[in-house]
Amino acid sequence: AQSVTQPDIHITVSEGASLELRCNYSYGATPYLFWYVQSPGQGLQLLLKYFSGDTLVQGIKGFEAEFKRSQSSFNLRKPSVHWSDAAEYFCAVAINNNDMRFGAGTRLTVKP
Amino acid sequence: DVKVTQSSRYLVKRTGEKVFLECVQDMDHENMFWYRQDPGLGLRLIYFSYDVKMKEKGDIPEGYSVSREKKERFSLILESASTNQTSMYLCASSRKGETQYFGPGTRLLVL
Repeated sequence: AQSVTQPDIHITVSEGASLELRCNYSYGATPYLFWYVQSPGQGLQLLLKYFSGDTLVQGIKGFEAEFKRSQSSFNLRKPSVHWSDAAEYFCAVAINNNDMRFGAGTRLTVKP
Repeated sequence: DVKVTQSSRYLVKRTGEKVFLECVQDMDHENMFWYRQDPGLGLRLIYFSYDVKMKEKGDIPEGYSVSREKKERFSLILESASTNQTSMYLCASSRKGETQYFGPGTRLLVL
């Protein structure tokens, strides 16, 4: 069955530290890949997406993600976290844009 | 910028009431979607529409219906609200084959 796994429910990092959020998927073909962020009480904002081409994708707010086909992963990274990055992060995959599957989300807390 | 708006941010309804959640997008997108979001479950697709008057069931359509009479508007209907439909509801829209853009969400409480 198609699935998206975000292994970490909650992560706490110190401000200025680096961040990596994990995402693994199980699909028969290479899907489209997305990371969204949700601030408290808000909708989802697209951080970045991978459709094809360069496997290292740059997004907004200083985030990047790397697609690794051999590991079926699409991990999100940021070299230096800011307090405003505290939010919930969702990985999503889609074979076509009508069939998008979301992970359960990772909540990020940033310590001063 | 793409703008997706939802009619209410917060809604409180009683069991058995008929509930309408409205979503409007201003970018002439063909596709529109309704999801519900619950802690630990991520987002789950309820229904989507790829054209006016067209609809497709998602993963959890039971207890819901939808209406798309105009391209810019996609309504989610709870025919008889139940407490297990207490949730955050998110609407999204997209062009065919492109990225989905989300509204701010409606937090529904059914008492």
